[in-house]
Amino acid sequence: SAVISQKPSRDICQRGTSLTIQCQVDSQVTMMFWYRQQPGQSLTLIATANQGSEATYESGFVIDKFPISRPNLTFSTLTVSNMSPEDSSIYLCSVSRQADTQYFGPGTRLTVL
Amino acid sequence: AQTVTQSQPEMSVQEAETVTLSCTYDTSENNYYLFWYKQPPSRQMILVIRQEAYKQQNATENRFSVNFQKAAKSFSLKISDSQLGDTAMYFCAFMKHVVGGDDKIIFGKGTRLHILP
Repeated sequence: SAVISQKPSRDICQRGTSLTIQCQVDSQVTMMFWYRQQPGQSLTLIATANQGSEATYESGFVIDKFPISRPNLTFSTLTVSNMSPEDSSIYLCSVSRQADTQYFGPGTRLTVL
Repeated sequence: AQTVTQSQPEMSVQEAETVTLSCTYDTSENNYYLFWYKQPPSRQMILVIRQEAYKQQNATENRFSVNFQKAAKSFSLKISDSQLGDTAMYFCAFMKHVVGGDDKIIFGKGTRLHILP
C-alpha cells in the first residue's frame, strides 16, 4: 500500500479566494491523481499529474481553475482558484504503486461560503 | 467509455448477517481491474478488495469476497458476518489496464450500507 497525507484536512474559505491542497506520499510514485467528491456524490477525476510534465485534465476541468504542481516524485499540489460555493467538496489525491491499484489520501474537506 | 452502475443506493442489515452489494459495469476492454472501496464517515477511501479481469478465481479478503462474472460484466461484493464497523459507503470501481502506466478509476455512485446492532 502507500502512506499518503493531505493538508489541510479541512478548510472554510470565502468566495473568490484560492486554496492550495498538498499531497505527500511516503515513497516515489510516477503518477498522482486528483479527485473531487461533491456532497453525497461519487468521485470524479480532476486531473492526472506526472512529474516533469503538465497535468492532464479531464473534461469539464481546466488548468486556470485547478492548477496542479508536481515538483517531485513524492509531492503534488492542487489549487482551487477563485472559489465559489459550488466548489465545496472533498478533494482527494491518489497514487498507484504497481499500476494495478490506487490508494487514496485522507481527503480535504472544503467549504466555500 | 466505461461505466459502473450500482443499483442499490442504500441497504441495511443486522449485525452478523451476510450482505451482498451489486455492481455491473460496461467496457469494451479485455484487460482491466475491478475494485470495491469503502468510505466510512471519516471520508478515507479504503481499498476492500481487488480483482484482475484475467483471473477467473474470485478474490477474497477475510470476510469480504466477490462474485466476478466477466461475461455478464457483474462484480458483486459479499460481506460475511457483518460488523458495526462495516457501516460505510461502498464504491464499485473500474480501472483499465495500461501497459507501463496507470489509468484513472471510474467509480459507481455508491451503496450506503448500514449495519444495525
